[in-house]
Parts: sequence; C-alpha cells; structure tokens
Amino acid sequence: QKEVEQDPGPLSVPEGAIVSLNCTYSNSAFQYFMWYRQYSRKGPELLMYTYSSGNKEDGRFTAQVDKSSKYISLFIRDSQPSDSATYLCAMSGKGAGSYQLTFGKGTKLSVIP
Amino acid sequence: EAQVTQNPRYLITVTGKKLTVTCSQNMNHEYMSWYRQDPGLGLRQIYYSMNVEVTDKGDVPEGYKVSRKEKRNFPLILESPSPNQTSLYFCASIRRGGPEAREQYFGPGTRLTVT
Repeated sequence: QKEVEQDPGPLSVPEGAIVSLNCTYSNSAFQYFMWYRQYSRKGPELLMYTYSSGNKEDGRFTAQVDKSSKYISLFIRDSQPSDSATYLCAMSGKGAGSYQLTFGKGTKLSVIP
Repeated sequence: EAQVTQNPRYLITVTGKKLTVTCSQNMNHEYMSWYRQDPGLGLRQIYYSMNVEVTDKGDVPEGYKVSRKEKRNFPLILESPSPNQTSLYFCASIRRGGPEAREQYFGPGTRLTVT
C-alpha cells in the first residue's frame, strides 16, 4: 500500500461549483498536511497547510484533516477557470521528519466556464 | 522578491555526459531539497539538505549527487546521466517558521532529456 493515495482524475466541473479533493494516507506519524497547486509547466505552489487535525479556511479554500480516518480534503468554493490546475497533497512527520514530504500523485482539475 | 531559481530550465544531453543543475534561494532557508516529477509517479524526493555540509538521501538518490557548500545554493549533479533520468526536476527550500510552519517553496523546474 502506498503511503499517500490521491485520485488522479481528471476532474471536470462547471464554473461556480464546489470542488472536493481528497487524499488518504497510511502513515500515522504524519503531522503536517499540505495542499499544493501546480499549473502546467510551473513549480508547485503552497496553497494551505495544517498541523495535526482540524479545519483551516483561506478565502474560497478550506482544508480538512481527519487523522482518525487518515483522510484529508481540500474544498474549493465558487470555483473559477483560474483554479484549473493539478492539486497535490503532501504530508510529513514530526521533528526532522517534518522536512521530508511525501506527495500524492496529484488530481488534475478543470473548471469549465 | 523571495524565490528559488534553477538553471538551466531546459536541457537535452547525451548518455554519460556529466551535468549540473544549479539551484539558489534568496530566503536564507536552512532546508533545501531536490525532487523529480514523472507522469504516473508524482513528485519523489532525490536528496535533501538540512544545512550547510549536511545532506542526505531521499527516496530515489541513485545516479545523483548533491553538495551544500553555501546556504543559498544546492546543486544537483548527474555524473553519468542515463535515459531513465529524463524527467522534470524541482528544487525546493523550506521556511522554518516555528513548530507549525513548514512552508516549502519550489523553483520553476528543469526539464531534462537524456538521449
């Protein structure tokens, strides 16, 4: 079983829809949970990070972590065509391990005008 | 502007010809890392460095070398490139902002083709 599982999609939604992106993981040592957005031919950029469990909101984006289920989610409200990108989840452990990220393979999202 | 830069951005080379991909960050970050990204395999860590003169292997270190002589620079060296090293490479650095902050900044990527 891979450490981090992420549905590669592609996922296509109409503009204005609520998008739900998810990852599951198996390593209970993971403490830091991140979402990155990667546009075509660009490097990943950090969207949100969460330490341990809980929710975090930033504008149209909400990140949720459920450590009991080993499941993390990213919600995008009022999706825009500019949100079309590949979304990567990433996780890391505590201490020195917090610097070694394990990535999901990414979900490709298209928001159709 | 805070950034991670990589050079070259594109490189086509032949098997066995040594090459170096440079990486530099202007954020005074201690931690830097190299990844490769391949279709269907995602981002995989090659090497990382916790500080000057401190480096360690990631998940896929075979065929690569790194050095960290200065805090800002972290070059990736391919002593004898092979076609299976054809990939998109990213350098990254992490801001150490306290126990809850591990913000990682990526460079723009280097697309390497080995024929």
